[in-house]
Amino acid sequence: AQSVTQPDIHITVSEGASLELRCNYSYGATPYLFWYVQSPGQGLQLLLKYFSGDTLVQGIKGFEAEFKRSQSSFNLRKPSVHWSDAAEYFCAVYYNQGGKLIFGQGTELSVKP
Amino acid sequence: GAVVSQHPSRVICKSGTSVKIECRSLDFQATTMFWYRQFPKQSLMLMATSNEGSKATYEQGVEKDKFLINHASLTLSTLTVTSAHPEDSSFYICSAHGTSGGGSSSTDTQYFGPGTRLTVL
Repeated sequence: AQSVTQPDIHITVSEGASLELRCNYSYGATPYLFWYVQSPGQGLQLLLKYFSGDTLVQGIKGFEAEFKRSQSSFNLRKPSVHWSDAAEYFCAVYYNQGGKLIFGQGTELSVKP
Repeated sequence: GAVVSQHPSRVICKSGTSVKIECRSLDFQATTMFWYRQFPKQSLMLMATSNEGSKATYEQGVEKDKFLINHASLTLSTLTVTSAHPEDSSFYICSAHGTSGGGSSSTDTQYFGPGTRLTVL
């Protein structure tokens, strides 16, 4: 069955430090992968997506993610975190039967001053 | 582009009443819309898939008669929580999936609304 795992429920980083949020997926076919960010009480904003091609994907707000098929991973990175990056981050895989998104459990990011 | 709105953003109602939530794709046509429910500190739970002009497809365990979904046009889907009870209190989020109006394709990407906080007293 298709699934997405975000191993880290909560991560705290210092402002200016680098960030990596982990995402592993289980999907039989070539996956369509997404990262979304959610601020408290808000909807989800698309950060970036991977469908095919270059495995290093650039997104908004300085985020990037790398698709590694051999590791079934799609980790999100940012070289220097800003206090405004504190939010919940969701990794998702597109399940093309029905066009559904399967979400990971989410990773809450806190940023220390 | 690819903006999705929801209305209302917040609603408080008495137990037993019905509440309608609207989801609109503002700058593109959405052939498919999705409704999610999110509990505090949890991920999104897909409730149903709504296709324009046809009946919604509900996920297992979601009561069709309680959560009525209508997708009457390519830019509007509504979720009506009928006879709401306190356990229906939650954050409801919609998403829209389709092609953007400028000719570029945003197929296979879901764009989310800002959510609706429902509190049932």
